[in-house]
Amino acid sequence: AQSVTQLGSHVSVSEGALVLLRCNYSSSVPPYLFWYVQYPNQGLQLLLKYTSAATLVKGINGFEAEFKKSETSFHLTKPSAHMSDAAEYFCAVTTGNQFYFGTGTSLTVIP
Amino acid sequence: EAQVTQNPRYLITVTGKKLTVTCSQNMNHEYMSWYRQDPGLGLRQIYYSMNVEVTDKGDVPEGYKVSRKEKRNFPLILESPSPNQTSLYFCASSLSWDKETQYFGPGTRLLVL
Repeated sequence: AQSVTQLGSHVSVSEGALVLLRCNYSSSVPPYLFWYVQYPNQGLQLLLKYTSAATLVKGINGFEAEFKKSETSFHLTKPSAHMSDAAEYFCAVTTGNQFYFGTGTSLTVIP
Repeated sequence: EAQVTQNPRYLITVTGKKLTVTCSQNMNHEYMSWYRQDPGLGLRQIYYSMNVEVTDKGDVPEGYKVSRKEKRNFPLILESPSPNQTSLYFCASSLSWDKETQYFGPGTRLLVL
């Protein structure tokens, strides 16, 4: 079975600062990895995904993530935080028919 | 507009009273899935469906049933709801199961008294 660990249930950054949200996964076979964002009172929407092509993946709204097999990580970054980035972020993994989500990281952006 | 719809959006019910939450997608997606979201636990997959008449258990299937008689619909059935099923439920769909993007519905907030 696969699993996902998101370190830090709450992260606060200043507007304009670097955003780093951590995701580690466990999988015995090469995984597909995803980052989803959830704004208040909404469903989830895809930010980016790794599907075994390039290890550095660029997504929407300036976010990117790097797949590091040796570290079993897929951390999400954005060079400069914007107020509109305040949301909950979920990392997810699948290697078969099932999906496994992390417990989420709530991002607060301080003006 | 391409979308996943869920009904109802909010539901308060009592223990043991059967209920159904509907989910429909208009994108001709093969894969559909139900999740529950609980504070501190993230999203957990309840059931998924690879195609019509093909369903399988996710991580937390106890107390739930599903059916997939048509490609566009994937209802979630709670035959005898209990308070521990109070949660926020999301339906999602994607072209296929693996690397495709899942599109999520707006969620159904369920309270079981």
